[in-house]
Amino acid sequence: EAGVVQSPRYKIIEKKQPVAFWCNPISGHNTLYWYRQNLGQGPELLIRYENEEAVDDSQLPKDRFSAERLKGVDSTLKIQPAELGDSAVYLCASSRDVNEQFFGPGTRLTVL
Amino acid sequence: GQNIDQPTEMTATEGAIVQINCTYQTSGFNGLFWYQQHAGEAPTFLSYNVLDGLEEKGRFSSFLSRSKGYSYLLLKELQMKDSASYLCAVTGSSASKIIFGSGTRLSIRP
Repeated sequence: EAGVVQSPRYKIIEKKQPVAFWCNPISGHNTLYWYRQNLGQGPELLIRYENEEAVDDSQLPKDRFSAERLKGVDSTLKIQPAELGDSAVYLCASSRDVNEQFFGPGTRLTVL
Repeated sequence: GQNIDQPTEMTATEGAIVQINCTYQTSGFNGLFWYQQHAGEAPTFLSYNVLDGLEEKGRFSSFLSRSKGYSYLLLKELQMKDSASYLCAVTGSSASKIIFGSGTRLSIRP
């Protein structure tokens, strides 16, 4: 079984530029999560999808962040414009039930 | 509010036993997770406790006391590859939303 796929693995951009991350969850997993993880910290939930519906986006900075999961499968997370403080690892995870989330390898974003 | 506390760093010796503690305060409780995360990699699932008591899985065991808001992860027969961060995470009133602690960075010395 293929795991959660994310791309790109690394991204370096200048501040004020836009950036997008892509995630393909494990087949059959209806729930998809986007997390942000800063160095030395645990993952922080940005948004959670149940199929194509965003059911928890309370932690998503909506002035510059947006996400979509149009067909209830893969998802994109966008930042526009990026700020220096957005440098972090962006993790995507998926789950079939509440007992276990499977994480992708993450995208390491560096904003210069 | 929700708060999860665990030590920032721990060091242990190869072949020994180490216990990583986690205390939590959440509005509601559905379960507690432990994840392992090697440097530069994604978290991987270790255990999930819903009821009080000890769950054993090979060299790793996880304990939960809901009344005390307390859990620990016990690692036996430590190996060098166990050097990693160990994340305690709790699901509160929403079973699908996991709140992570900052993690405990465990270093194993020969």
